[in-house]
Amino acid sequence: SQTIHQWPATLVQPVGSPLSLECTVEGTSNPNLYWYRQAAGRGLQLLFYSIGIDQISSEVPQNLSASRPQDRQFILSSKKLLLSDSGFYLCAWSGGALGNTIYFGEGSWLTVV
Amino acid sequence: AQTVTQSQPEMSVQEAETVTLSCTYDTSESNYYLFWYKQPPSRQMILVIRQEAYKQQNATENRFSVNFQKAAKSFSLKISDSQLGDTAMYFCAFMSSSNTGKLIFGQGTTLQVKP
Repeated sequence: SQTIHQWPATLVQPVGSPLSLECTVEGTSNPNLYWYRQAAGRGLQLLFYSIGIDQISSEVPQNLSASRPQDRQFILSSKKLLLSDSGFYLCAWSGGALGNTIYFGEGSWLTVV
Repeated sequence: AQTVTQSQPEMSVQEAETVTLSCTYDTSESNYYLFWYKQPPSRQMILVIRQEAYKQQNATENRFSVNFQKAAKSFSLKISDSQLGDTAMYFCAFMSSSNTGKLIFGQGTTLQVKP
């Protein structure tokens, strides 16, 4: 069966510090991968999606970037965090026999102070 | 642009009873997907049920079923025999068949199941 994991689960970072959130998918090959962000108590907003290695599309201009160095690895980064980057970040995947359904990881709660 | 509206910010139901969560959406497309996701206090987004717009038959997953009215652009979720573990925020979401991966979410409905 397919599984998705992301880490760290929570982190508190000072303004101006770098960020790296990692996500891996197991049990499938060539998945579509996504990074979503959720503001407090609201629905999710798509930040990035990837259909393959080094193929990244950005949905929203922002202080963040994404990379996909391996088929099943997706990384969300920032060189200098802003207060407005605080939020709940979820990695997700779709593909294979499960088609267009999107499955989410456990999420990472980021607080920028 | 597509929009998804959930008009019930909060709802409550007694354990073992049935509850229906409402969702409406707006799109000019004819082929798309609709989803209900559950977000418990752990905050992980869990898929509850999925409906393809070209299918007339309403989707069902155990105690969860939908009432999909394509002409009315309505997609409600019915939870039967509610359990305490159903307490969560529920999100309705839309995805175009031409833009797979981009889920458009509603504002969410917080459901509390009371013992």
